[in-house]
Amino acid sequence: KAGVTQTPRYLIKTRGQQVTLSCSPISGHRSVSWYQQTPGQGLQFLFEYFSETQRNKGNFPGRFSGRQFSNSRSEMNVSTLELGDSALYLCASSTRTTSGSGTDTQYFGPGTRLTVL
Amino acid sequence: KNEVEQSPQNLTAQEGEFITINCSYSVGISALHWLQQHPGGGIVSLFMLSSGKKKHGRLIATINIQEKHSSLHITASHPRDSAVYICAVSPGNQFYFGTGTSLTVIP
Repeated sequence: KAGVTQTPRYLIKTRGQQVTLSCSPISGHRSVSWYQQTPGQGLQFLFEYFSETQRNKGNFPGRFSGRQFSNSRSEMNVSTLELGDSALYLCASSTRTTSGSGTDTQYFGPGTRLTVL
Repeated sequence: KNEVEQSPQNLTAQEGEFITINCSYSVGISALHWLQQHPGGGIVSLFMLSSGKKKHGRLIATINIQEKHSSLHITASHPRDSAVYICAVSPGNQFYFGTGTSLTVIP
């Protein structure tokens, strides 16, 4: 099976712009979670989508949003970019069949490295 | 407030040494995960635990739910084990991550 893929792998934007990142999960996985990783804050949970619905959300402002399509592919959008949004954005898929149990293995993609200038 | 604390932050070992990384957490959890991140960013899930002990090759993970503590052990460490090891816990509605332990194994 192909692994989790993320596009693009690298992105450079300027403050105030918006960005959309894409994640394709492992075939058959219906849950996609997004994470932000920065040197200062480490890994932080953004949100989780399951069957096209946002099931769980971390402590991020409303500028961070996402969606999931019927084929389980997911996109994450960040509007009005700030310098502090520079980070590695990781998505992970799992076979989670119930909402929010946390008891499934996460399969991570390679990440999108976003630089905001 | 850090829901997950890891120690040590950095660890250097000689090849062949036995290594222990510790993780303490403060929230009730459904499961605890140990992750490995190599330079370049790729993250691999090593273990998911809700009780007891799991073993995979030279890696062993244990969890004590009552004490809210988990350990990751690496037996007979090898330079290819050099990576950042991250502890993550899920209370069921999101994940909380430790800051990671950077391990360097010297030949």
